[in-house]
Amino acid sequence: GAVVSQHPSWVICKSGTSVKIECRSLDFQATTMFWYRQFPKQSLMLMATSNEGSKATYEQGVEKDKFLINHASLTLSTLTVTSAHPEDSSFYICSGGGRSEQFFGPGTRLTVL
Amino acid sequence: AQSVTQPDIHITVSEGASLELRCNYSYGATPYLFWYVQSPGQGLQLLLKYFSGDTLVQGIKGFEAEFKRSQSSFNLRKPSVHWSDAAEYFCAVGAGTASKLTFGTGTRLQVTL
Repeated sequence: GAVVSQHPSWVICKSGTSVKIECRSLDFQATTMFWYRQFPKQSLMLMATSNEGSKATYEQGVEKDKFLINHASLTLSTLTVTSAHPEDSSFYICSGGGRSEQFFGPGTRLTVL
Repeated sequence: AQSVTQPDIHITVSEGASLELRCNYSYGATPYLFWYVQSPGQGLQLLLKYFSGDTLVQGIKGFEAEFKRSQSSFNLRKPSVHWSDAAEYFCAVGAGTASKLTFGTGTRLQVTL
């Protein structure tokens, strides 16, 4: 199947700083990508839909000013956690693909101290 | 809105034994159903999917699942489990698409030798 990469795979930051996570589709173009959040021992929760060349669509309850999404090219979407706090610590996963299958990145573990 | 229930949080089976992981979904129309496996440090890997047609779906690694509309279920089965199958398994539903998936809470499979 197609490959999606994420960078970094893990990051530790201080409270109040911003962190950028990259999601790349390596062998296909993705006009739409998705960002999920997974808390320990819990399921994946969809945060937002990233649309190439336009604004992201956020799920209910997700702060768009806190989780900035940019999808500037057909192979790259970025998620920036702004002014991160300990409660933002989580596992962030992106996906890309089409209507019949999504391919998931390996995830980024964010720890905010 | 669609939802997914995985009743079993944790299952332990002996290597060589059969396995069935339960998944119940809620969706008004014909759902797109998926089973993913997540191993530590790795991204979600698609095991199998159902859109329409034959209700018994074959997937990778010897897994299969059966769609039962009357029971709103999509249980995952494997006749003989291998130690390498130990992982977290997620059932997911898409509303007429593989995009924007709703995931169940996952079932952690432990395999004893």
